[in-house]
Amino acid sequence: DAGVIQSPRHEVTEMGQEVTLRCKPISGHDYLFWYRQTMMRGLELLIYFNNNVPIDDSGMPEDRFSAKMPNASFSTLKIQPSEPRDSAVYFCASSFRRRLNEKLFFGSGTQLSVL
Amino acid sequence: GNSVTQMEGPVTLSEEAFLTINCTYTATGYPSLFWYVQYPGEGLQLLLKATKADDKGSNKGFEATYRKETTSFHLEKGSVQVSDSAVYFCALGGNEKLTFGTGTRLTIIP
Repeated sequence: DAGVIQSPRHEVTEMGQEVTLRCKPISGHDYLFWYRQTMMRGLELLIYFNNNVPIDDSGMPEDRFSAKMPNASFSTLKIQPSEPRDSAVYFCASSFRRRLNEKLFFGSGTQLSVL
Repeated sequence: GNSVTQMEGPVTLSEEAFLTINCTYTATGYPSLFWYVQYPGEGLQLLLKATKADDKGSNKGFEATYRKETTSFHLEKGSVQVSDSAVYFCALGGNEKLTFGTGTRLTIIP
């Protein structure tokens, strides 16, 4: 299996522009998570899905952020409009039948820079 | 709610030194505990885990013991290598999601 695939690996954009990050989870996994990593705040859970349905979006910082999962093999995280403080590494992770002793499989992340 | 407090870094050690990275947690019930590792330019990957009190997780020479009495899950390795340089995250497993610590950056110098 190719693992969790994220695109793009790097994104540089200007303030005010729309940014779309993409994620393809591991086939068969039924949970998908979006995390944001910054030096100041560490690793933050933004939102997660179970069977394509958003379960908890309490970590989404503002209305500028939105996430969708139209099918089991694809998810997007959109920021509109983007701001410099959104600069971070965004990770997607997936898991199967998430239980206490299961593990997450992470993608390589998208490094986002908003100028 | 659940929380994880992790030893702040960065930590710099010489090759073959002994490593300890402290991790304590606050949780209701009996969570599972994890250590994840992030190598430069990569996503996190599971290093080891423990699912109940007194369990010891181990992998690649790293160990951590689930101590319920001290609510701790400290990561140890007897002799570190340059290739162990990475960021290490302690995590606590709740019902459906993991709560991560802030990460500890480890640098091993030859």
